[in-house]
Amino acid sequence: SQQGEEDPQALSIQEGENATMNCSYKTSINNLQWYRQNSGRGLVHLILIRSNEREKHSGRLRVTLDTSKKSSSLLITASRAADTASYFCATRYSGGYQKVTFGTGTKLQVIP
Amino acid sequence: GAVVSQHPSRVICKSGTSVKIECRSLDFQATTMFWYRQFPKQSLMLMATSNEGSKATYEQGVEKDKFLINHASLTLSTLTVTSAHPEDSSFYICSARSLAEYNEQFFGPGTRLTVL
Repeated sequence: SQQGEEDPQALSIQEGENATMNCSYKTSINNLQWYRQNSGRGLVHLILIRSNEREKHSGRLRVTLDTSKKSSSLLITASRAADTASYFCATRYSGGYQKVTFGTGTKLQVIP
Repeated sequence: GAVVSQHPSRVICKSGTSVKIECRSLDFQATTMFWYRQFPKQSLMLMATSNEGSKATYEQGVEKDKFLINHASLTLSTLTVTSAHPEDSSFYICSARSLAEYNEQFFGPGTRLTVL
């Protein structure tokens, strides 16, 4: 079953604007990761944030994690047309095999 | 970083045939591998977790007799789709967990299966 849900499901913005995507999950996690997927292609790992971290940056990406609300957000600043893709959060369970399960995804379109 | 490969990248087969997909961790050992399936315009769904030398653990709703998983070594897991049907057409992605890389999980590039 899906661990996380993301919103919005789809987002369309102009080049240069910021894009924010949110992910909510249900159970305790070890870490949360964000991935990008271009249409019909494999996953590209963007950033990992551990359960004891609150914020992380990587280039134009900023990820926050609020474990009390079981939510995370991905901010892409100064978006580019090349950022057009689907974005997924993936959470790693704390227990059992520590499975990584994916959220429903946000389809981002950046208009040049 | 750690690299996971899949073979083949694309496969087209006739309904009723079986298809085997290989997943290899190229530069690390993986005691645990995961198989995911992604239908068009949907997210990745975990199908099963496999540990080297033991039976795979399947997620609810995944037929273990249809999707045979073998994890014979620390660098290779295979997924065999038996008696494939058009509804099995999907993007299959494997993932391998590295003991050396802080136990992180690395994903393969995926295999697109089309069943005619």
